[in-house]
Amino acid sequence: QITLKESGPTVVKPTQTLTLTCTFSGFSLSTSGVGVGWIRQPPGKALEWLALIYWDDDKRYRPSLKSRLTITKDTSKNQVILTMTNMDPEDTATYYCAHSRYSSGPRWFDPWGQGTLVTVSS
Amino acid sequence: DIVMTQSPDSLAVSLGERATINCKSSQNILYGSSNKNYLAWYQQKPGQPPKLLITWASSRESGVPDRFSGSGSGTDFTLTISSLQAEDVAVYYCQQYYSSPPAFGQGTRLEIK
Repeated sequence: QITLKESGPTVVKPTQTLTLTCTFSGFSLSTSGVGVGWIRQPPGKALEWLALIYWDDDKRYRPSLKSRLTITKDTSKNQVILTMTNMDPEDTATYYCAHSRYSSGPRWFDPWGQGTLVTVSS
Repeated sequence: DIVMTQSPDSLAVSLGERATINCKSSQNILYGSSNKNYLAWYQQKPGQPPKLLITWASSRESGVPDRFSGSGSGTDFTLTISSLQAEDVAVYYCQQYYSSPPAFGQGTRLEIK
C-alpha cells in the first residue's frame, strides 16, 4: 500500500522560503519509472502542478515558477523535499505530494497525500 | 503548454439521473502510435485529496463504481456518471499527461438538485 504525507510550516511570512517534505512508504524512488510530484490548490480553486522528480533524478518544474522551485529526493529516507523561495500571499494553498510514474512521458498522480495548508501572511 | 478547459463549471443533477462533465484540451492528446488518449479524471470530495478515477480517457481504476465512465478522443473528452448517487457530490478534474507540464482543468463542481 502506497502512502504519502506532507509536512512543513503552516505559516510563512512574505519573502521567506518554504520548505516542504513528503515522506512516503510502499514504493522506492530508486525503482525505475517511479516519480513523486507536488501539486497545490489555493482555497476554493483548482489544482496546479508544481514539480516532479523521478527515480533517475530527472526534475521537472512548472515553467512559470521554475526560478522559485527546487525539488530534491533522499532515497534512503523515502523523502522528497520541495523548496519555494520568495513566498507571496498568493502562494497560500494546500500543498499535496503524490506518487507518479514515467513511461516515455509524465503520467497521472495516484495516490495523493492528505495535503498541508500553507498560509503566507505577515 | 497544453491548456485543459472543463465545462460546465458547476452542475446540479437529481439523484439517479445522468451527469455529464466535459473536458477540452488545447492540443491533441491522442498518441498516434499507441492510439491512446493521455487523459485522467479525478474526484475530489470536500476536505479530501483528489482520487484517481479514470486513466487513458476511459480506463476505470480498480474499485471505481461502473456508473463512472470516460469517453472521447483527440481534444474532447467526457466523464459520465450514469446514475448520480449522493456520495458522488464532489469536484471533478481532468488532467492531461501527453506532455510536460502536466495540466489540470479548472474543475467542475457537481451537486444534487
